[in-house]
Amino acid sequence: GNSVTQMEGPVTLSEEAFLTINCTYTATGYPSLFWYVQYPGEGLQLLLKATKADDKGSNKGFEATYRKETTSFHLEKGSVQVSDSAVYFCALSPNQAGTALIFGKGTTLSVSS
Amino acid sequence: EPEVTQTPSHQVTQMGQEVILRCVPISNHLYFYWYRQILGQKVEFLVSFYNNEISEKSEIFDDQFSVERPDGSNFTLKIRSTKLEDSAMYFCASGGASANEKLFFGSGTQLSVL
Repeated sequence: GNSVTQMEGPVTLSEEAFLTINCTYTATGYPSLFWYVQYPGEGLQLLLKATKADDKGSNKGFEATYRKETTSFHLEKGSVQVSDSAVYFCALSPNQAGTALIFGKGTTLSVSS
Repeated sequence: EPEVTQTPSHQVTQMGQEVILRCVPISNHLYFYWYRQILGQKVEFLVSFYNNEISEKSEIFDDQFSVERPDGSNFTLKIRSTKLEDSAMYFCASGGASANEKLFFGSGTQLSVL
C-alpha cells in the first residue's frame, strides 16, 4: 500500500540555521510528492511538489528532491526564519485523477530569534 | 489567489447530535474532498466527490457520515450522530481534473464533541 513517514518533531532551531525534515514513502507505481505547510490558525497550503524522479521542487527558499532510489523527499532550507514556524506535512498522490493525497503525521518547526 | 471557504471555524456539539460542516470550493474545480486531523495525529482522508457522487472513501467514512453538493456551490459533510472521537479539525479541499493539480484546502472547522 501507499504510506508516508516523516521524522518526529518538534524541531527547534535558531534563526538562520539549516533545516532538514526527513520524509520517506512507500508507493506502488510512480507517485507525485508534496510538502504542505500549516501556519498557526490557518489551513494547509501547498509549499512545493515534484512529479517524477530527480525532480526538485522549490518555493520560498525551501527545496526537496524526489529520490526514487531511496524513496525519499526530504525538505531543506538553508536559513530558516521565525516566520517559517509551522507544521510541515509530506504527502503523496498515487497519480490517478481525483485520488486522495496520503499525508505523513506532520513535523512541527519552531524557529526562535 | 482563489480560496476554499469553510464555515463555521469552530463547532461545539453534544454527543449524539447531528452536525453539518460547510465548504465552498473553488468554482471551476471538479473534485472535492474532506479530510480530518485529530489533535496530534495524521491528516486523514475521509472522502472524495466527483460528478455528484462519492468517488472514493476511507474506512473512517462509515454510515454516520454523508456528503452533499446541494446547490452547485456548497459542499457539505454531515455527521449524523456525533461521537467523542469525532472531535477533530475537518478540512475541505478542492482540485481540478488532474491528479497533479494543486489541491486547495480551506482553513478548517474545529469540531468539539462534548
